[in-house]
Amino acid sequence: GEDVEQSLFLSVREGDSSVINCTYTDSSSTYLYWYKQEPGAGLQLLTYIFSNMDMKQDQRLTVLLNKKDKHLSLRIADTQTGDSAIYFCAEPSGGSNYKLTFGKGTLLTVNP
Amino acid sequence: SAVISQKPSRDICQRGTSLTIQCQVDSQVTMMFWYRQQPGQSLTLIATANQGSEATYESGFVIDKFPISRPNLTFSTLTVSNMSPEDSSIYLCSVEEQGKETQYFGPGTRLLVL
Repeated sequence: GEDVEQSLFLSVREGDSSVINCTYTDSSSTYLYWYKQEPGAGLQLLTYIFSNMDMKQDQRLTVLLNKKDKHLSLRIADTQTGDSAIYFCAEPSGGSNYKLTFGKGTLLTVNP
Repeated sequence: SAVISQKPSRDICQRGTSLTIQCQVDSQVTMMFWYRQQPGQSLTLIATANQGSEATYESGFVIDKFPISRPNLTFSTLTVSNMSPEDSSIYLCSVEEQGKETQYFGPGTRLLVL
């Protein structure tokens, strides 16, 4: 079955880069997504990447996709305290483009 | 992207009662979904809310426990019936705009059942 794995915790110092990793199982996924959940808030779509791309950059965010290893990463440059949140990796699953399977989320803590 | 609101934002309920959560979108959307996020856990899809027909439930979720309405393309409700403390979760609705291949989430409803 489909499964999305993430490390649960990441702690970085303000100004450093953060790299959050994710592995997925459904090789037919057309898109892969990163969502951010701040404390007490809903999910915010951060970015997504089409499966035929290796990399996507959006300001401080860089998404890298290794389709062969089914590995996805999110790099946040110059991490700020406002980036402290839970980051979820998600992929469409079950042969559907809209049924999302989420990882358990990575809690990013940014220390001043 | 669509702007999604949910009501209530949070509630504390007694076991055995039911709560109806509303989801309102500022534009017409084809797909609306309901998710559950149990404490410290990831999101699990409960069902797809279909306009004009019965919702499509995922494995482990049934209509008697989570009845869903979708009277039009901008509104849906999820009812959590006969609640128990195990139903304490965040319930989120999401939408996918046609052709956009991305889902946007509402702010969630935080439910605590005592």
